[in-house]
Amino acid sequence: KAGVTQTPRYLIKTRGQQVTLSCSPISGHRSVSWYQQTPGQGLQFLFEYFSETQRNKGNFPGRFSGRQFSNSRSEMNVSTLELGDSALYLCASSPGAGLNTGELFFGEGSRLTVL
Amino acid sequence: AQKVTQAQTEISVVEKEDVTLDCVYETRDTTYYLFWYKQPPSGELVFLIRRNSFDEQNEISGRYSWNFQKSTSSFNFTITASQVVDSAVYFCALSEVNTGTASKLTFGTGTRLQVTL
Repeated sequence: KAGVTQTPRYLIKTRGQQVTLSCSPISGHRSVSWYQQTPGQGLQFLFEYFSETQRNKGNFPGRFSGRQFSNSRSEMNVSTLELGDSALYLCASSPGAGLNTGELFFGEGSRLTVL
Repeated sequence: AQKVTQAQTEISVVEKEDVTLDCVYETRDTTYYLFWYKQPPSGELVFLIRRNSFDEQNEISGRYSWNFQKSTSSFNFTITASQVVDSAVYFCALSEVNTGTASKLTFGTGTRLQVTL
């Protein structure tokens, strides 16, 4: 069974640009969550999508957005990049049916560097 | 608000030593889930265990064991006879049921474990 796939794995952007990150969940998983990992703030929840709807969101500005497609693949977008957006962005999938109490399956992340 | 504290930033042990990683949590909910994840250098977080707030039984899985004590809000993780392959960053995490999903985890800051020969 293929794991969670995130693309691109590494990218460099400059301040003010925007970026789109992609996540393909494990086949059959309907929930996709996004986390930001930085040395200063640690791992922080961005948002979760289930059946193309945002089910939960963390405390991030509106520059951070996401969506989920009918095949459960998800994208997240960060507009008007700031230096502080440099981070490892991790995607996690889970079956998501009902109140999900199972473990999350994480991808290897997309490492974004903002110059 | 919920909070997870991992006071140990970094631990170094010699192979075959036992090591315990501490985790203390705060939550106002009576129903919640606790997790441990491992992050190897490749970056992905690997699930190790989930515990719900009603189940205080300790658990052992091979060289790994977990001690959950609600009275002290702790969920500690012990590796017995550590191996070099155990070197990684370990995260403790908490999920509250009232958020509508257990996918919204609050993570601790992690403990970097270095096991040397």
